[in-house]
Amino acid sequence: AQKVTQAQTEISVVEKEDVTLDCVYETRDTTYYLFWYKQPPSGELVFLIRRNSFDEQNEISGRYSWNFQKSTSSFNFTITASQVVDSAVYFCALSGENTNAGKSTFGDGTTLTVKP
Amino acid sequence: DVKVTQSSRYLVKRTGEKVFLECVQDMDHENMFWYRQDPGLGLRLIYFSYDVKMKEKGDIPEGYSVSREKKERFSLILESASTNQTSMYLCASSPTRGFNTEAFFGQGTRLTVV
Repeated sequence: AQKVTQAQTEISVVEKEDVTLDCVYETRDTTYYLFWYKQPPSGELVFLIRRNSFDEQNEISGRYSWNFQKSTSSFNFTITASQVVDSAVYFCALSGENTNAGKSTFGDGTTLTVKP
Repeated sequence: DVKVTQSSRYLVKRTGEKVFLECVQDMDHENMFWYRQDPGLGLRLIYFSYDVKMKEKGDIPEGYSVSREKKERFSLILESASTNQTSMYLCASSPTRGFNTEAFFGQGTRLTVV
């Protein structure tokens, strides 16, 4: 069985602070895919990043960066110099080798509040 | 851009009513999904469909049914709404080829059953 744990239920930071959202996963598949989605107050989940299990390179996209470590089964997400617009619920998700991404296992989400 | 559109943002229904939640996608995706989102429980899969007239149960199908008569449309049906079905419902779609592509979500329907 697959499992995704986002231990941080809520995080509150002040604008311009850096913040890291943790994601730990469990799977028996050797090939799998990890995702991060953002859900702003409008409700729609927005895709942020996808990473496959064979690619452990960290990725940076503007103020966003992701740290994938197979050794610790973690796929953490860091926002640098946070902004109020980053306030949202963030979900980490996992799909297995033969599983469509729409059937991903989702974590419970981390609610990030960025205060001005 | 892929668009997944849910027919209502907010719905209020009475206990025992039959409720239809509609979802339409415009990118010719084979796969469509219905999730339920509750605080502290993340997203839980209710039903999904890999093709027209095809449906499979997800993790929490009890109390729900679905219909997929056309490729672009996937409906979630609450046969007799109950207060414990008050929740946020999210529809998603993805292409068949995409074991490693992301899912595309609608804006959600917040259903309140009174």
